[in-house]
Amino acid sequence: AQSVTQPDIHITVSEGASLELRCNYSYGATPYLFWYVQSPGQGLQLLLKYFSGDTLVQGIKGFEAEFKRSQSSFNLRKPSVHWSDAAEYFCAVGPMEYGNKLVFGAGTILRVKS
Amino acid sequence: NAGVTQTPKFRILKIGQSMTLQCTQDMNHNYMYWYRQDPGMGLKLIYYSVGAGITDKGEVPNGYNVSRSTTEDFPLRLELAAPSQTSVYFCASSYSGGAEAFFGQGTRLTVV
Repeated sequence: AQSVTQPDIHITVSEGASLELRCNYSYGATPYLFWYVQSPGQGLQLLLKYFSGDTLVQGIKGFEAEFKRSQSSFNLRKPSVHWSDAAEYFCAVGPMEYGNKLVFGAGTILRVKS
Repeated sequence: NAGVTQTPKFRILKIGQSMTLQCTQDMNHNYMYWYRQDPGMGLKLIYYSVGAGITDKGEVPNGYNVSRSTTEDFPLRLELAAPSQTSVYFCASSYSGGAEAFFGQGTRLTVV
C-alpha cells in the first residue's frame, strides 16, 4: 500500500535561512507527488507537483522540490525563508489514473523566527 | 472567484444528532472529494466522486454518506454523530484525476 512519511513534525528556522522539508514515500509504481501548504484556518494550496520529466520542479512562492527515485524522496526546499512561510506543509502521493486518491503525510509545521 | 465553498465553518453537535456538510464548486470540476484532518494524522479520504451520480468510498467512510446529484454539489451526511467524528472536514475538487485539487476552507466539527 502506498504511504507517505514526513519525519519532522515541527521545524523552526530563522528568517532568511534555507529550508528543507523531508518527504519519503512508499509506492509500487511511478508516483505522482505533491506538496501542499496550509495556513492557519485555511484550506490547502498546491505549491508544486511532479508527474514525470525533470526531477527538479519549481513551484509558487519560491519553493522547489526534487524527486529522487533511488531514495524514494521528494524533499521541499526554499533558499531563503520569509516569516509569511510559517504554515503546515503536506506531502502527498497518489495514482492519478482513477480519482484524486491522494495519500497525505502527517504534515510538518514550520515556524519562522525573526 | 468562489472556487470551493463549504458551509458551515463551525458546528457543535451532540452525540446521536445528524447533520449535512455542504460543499459546492463553481469550476465545473468532475472530481470532488471529502477529507477529514486530525492533528498529526494528515488528511484521510472519506468519499470521492468522479462525476454526477458516481460516488465511491475512500479510506475512512464509516459513519458518513454522500450523494452527487449535480456537478456542483457534493454534500457529506453524518447520520449519528459520535465523538470520533470530531475533526476538520475539507472538501476538494479537481478537473480530472491528474489535475490540481482545489480545497475549501474547511468545516470544524465538534461532537460532544
